[in-house]
Amino acid sequence: GQQLNQSPQSMFIQEGEDVSMNCTSSSIFNTWLWYKQDPGEGPVLLIALYKAGELTSNGRLTAQFGITRKDSFLNISASIPSDVGIYFCAGPSGGTSYGKLTFGQGTILTVHP
Amino acid sequence: NAGVMQNPRHLVRRRGQEARLRCSPMKGHSHVYWYRQLPEEGLKFMVYLQKENIIDESGMPKERFSAEFPKEGPSILRIQQVVRGDSAAYFCASSPPSKETQYFGPGTRLLVL
Repeated sequence: GQQLNQSPQSMFIQEGEDVSMNCTSSSIFNTWLWYKQDPGEGPVLLIALYKAGELTSNGRLTAQFGITRKDSFLNISASIPSDVGIYFCAGPSGGTSYGKLTFGQGTILTVHP
Repeated sequence: NAGVMQNPRHLVRRRGQEARLRCSPMKGHSHVYWYRQLPEEGLKFMVYLQKENIIDESGMPKERFSAEFPKEGPSILRIQQVVRGDSAAYFCASSPPSKETQYFGPGTRLLVL
């Protein structure tokens, strides 16, 4: 089946630093979604990307849908302690635009004050 | 506008008992998805339902697991004769018809003793 590979697996940064993480796949995705999960909670949608090459921002977060449709990245600028959590990329499986999502394994972000 | 609601948030069962997990989608959403998350892993798709219909159950174990989304009331994920390996967080997500974006509930954390 389709797989999404996220890197890095974990990051330890100082408050105020910028963060970049990415997600790659061996097959094409028509939609890329970025979620954040806090401990004991469900994933919260951060950014949705629907078009190859699209660059979308949400506050300090910026994400891009790769031109090849096989990758996406998420940047967080000027990190703050509440950015701590696990970041997941996800996309609808099987070349569809909706339905079951395939998730990456997550990037664990730790921010030191 | 209330988000996706799941209950209970925590459920403890002994081996051999039944577990029933409930999910109420966001208002106006007619599509429901169930995912399972093991510790330190990403979410894995289980089943996709619309009202009174199972659309995709390719991620459901063949035995002991069932799901429904009746015309009235919440979606139910039922696990019969639970085993320790069923211990996990179970998340429900909902979306409007034919929309890629899924919104997640807070999850039910099942512990099998």
